Amino acid sequence: DIVMTQSPDSLAVSLGERATINCKSSQSLLYSSNNNNYLAWYQQKPGQPPKLLIYWASTRESGVPDRFSGSGSGTDFTLTISSLQPEDVAVYYCQQCFSSPYTFGQGTKLEIK
Amino acid sequence: QVQLVQSGAEVKKPGASVKVSCKASGYTFTSYVVHWVRQAPGQSLEWMGWINTGNGKAGYSRLFQDRVTITRDTSASTAYMELSSLRSEDTAVYFCARFSGTYWTCDYWGQGTLVTVSS
Repeated sequence: DIVMTQSPDSLAVSLGERATINCKSSQSLLYSSNNNNYLAWYQQKPGQPPKLLIYWASTRESGVPDRFSGSGSGTDFTLTISSLQPEDVAVYYCQQCFSSPYTFGQGTKLEIK
Repeated sequence: QVQLVQSGAEVKKPGASVKVSCKASGYTFTSYVVHWVRQAPGQSLEWMGWINTGNGKAGYSRLFQDRVTITRDTSASTAYMELSSLRSEDTAVYFCARFSGTYWTCDYWGQGTLVTVSS
C-alpha cells in the first residue's frame, strides 16, 4: 500500500500570511501515460465531510478560492494558502488515487496564530 | 445539484452488522463510481472500498475485505455499505463519495453517518 505522510501535523499561521502543508508518498503518483499526478487535497471542517480543493496535484476544483494552490510531482507535494483567512481554519488531507487502496495522509490541523 | 444523502446514525452491539445507505441525486447514478471512507473520532480518513454503479463490481481495502460488502440499487440511485462483525474500533463516521472518472478523485461527499458500536 502507498503510505502518505503529511507535515506538519499542526500549523498556526497569522491572518494574511502564507500557510504551507507538505505531503509525501511512499511511491510515485505520476502516471507517465498522461503526465498527471494522482494526488488530491481536501479541507475538512468540524462536523462536515471533506471538501475537494485540488486534484491532479495542482488543478483547483471549481469554486475554490485562488489563494489555494497545489504543487509537486512524483512523491513530494505541497498545498499552499497564500493569504490565510479565518474560514481556512480546518484540517487538510492529501489522498493518493494512483493505486488501490486510495490512502490518505494523517491530516494537518491549521489554526490562526 | 449533485447530492449524496446518507442514512441516519446507528447504534450497534459488538458482533452485529450495519448497513448504511447513500442516495444520489442531481446526476446519472450509473455514470459514476461510489467510494466509501470512514473516520474514527479524532482520526484521519480511512478508505474502505468502491462500487462501479453501472455493473455492480466492487473492490475493497484489504483491511475490510472479509467484513465489508458494497452494493447498489440502480432503481433507487442508492449505494449501500454493509459492515459485519462489528467491534468497538468500528465506531466512526462513514462517508460515501462520488468518484469522478474524469478527474480521478472524489468530488462530492455525503454528509456522513455515525455508527457507534457499544455493548
